[in-house]
Amino acid sequence: EDQVTQSPEALRLQEGESSSLNCSYTVSGLRGLFWYRQDPGKGPEFLFTLYSAGEEKEKERLKATLTKKESFLHITAPKPEDSATYLCAENTGGFKTIFGAGTRLFVKA
Amino acid sequence: DVKVTQSSRYLVKRTGEKVFLECVQDMDHENMFWYRQDPGLGLRLIYFSYDVKMKEKGDIPEGYSVSREKKERFSLILESASTNQTSMYLCASRIRGFYGYTFGSGTRLTVV
Repeated sequence: EDQVTQSPEALRLQEGESSSLNCSYTVSGLRGLFWYRQDPGKGPEFLFTLYSAGEEKEKERLKATLTKKESFLHITAPKPEDSATYLCAENTGGFKTIFGAGTRLFVKA
Repeated sequence: DVKVTQSSRYLVKRTGEKVFLECVQDMDHENMFWYRQDPGLGLRLIYFSYDVKMKEKGDIPEGYSVSREKKERFSLILESASTNQTSMYLCASRIRGFYGYTFGSGTRLTVV
């Protein structure tokens, strides 16, 4: 069964302490790997799409990378406002997108 | 800025009521989706529509129906609300194919 697994479930960082979030996917023939940010009580906000291994995308302190089996969301020198849940999702072809359970990020000042 | 607007942020309904959740997008997107999000279960697809008047069941369609009479509007209907339908409901749209979603702000529905 196709699935998307995110780790860790939760991550606590000090402000300025860089780290990475992991997303493993199992579907062969990737159609798109997506990252979203979700604040409490709100809908997810689109961040990045990656389509092929080796691709990288950046936005402010966030950088997403993709290999054949995993994607990483690197957070450089995070600030408290980066605290949120980060969701990874994979398009499996057609209209189906599989979401991971998310990583809850807490950044302390 | 492109938008997906859900008609209500919070709703409280009684068991057995028929409930309508409305979603409107202003981006001329072809595809629209309804998800529910529950703690520990993540995002689960209820229904989607790939074009006007077209609809397909997702992973958990039981107890729900949908309507898409116009391209910009996608409605989710709970035929007879039950307490196990208490959840956060998220509408999303995308232009087509393998693009990312734009989500609405969500409707937190409580069925009592």
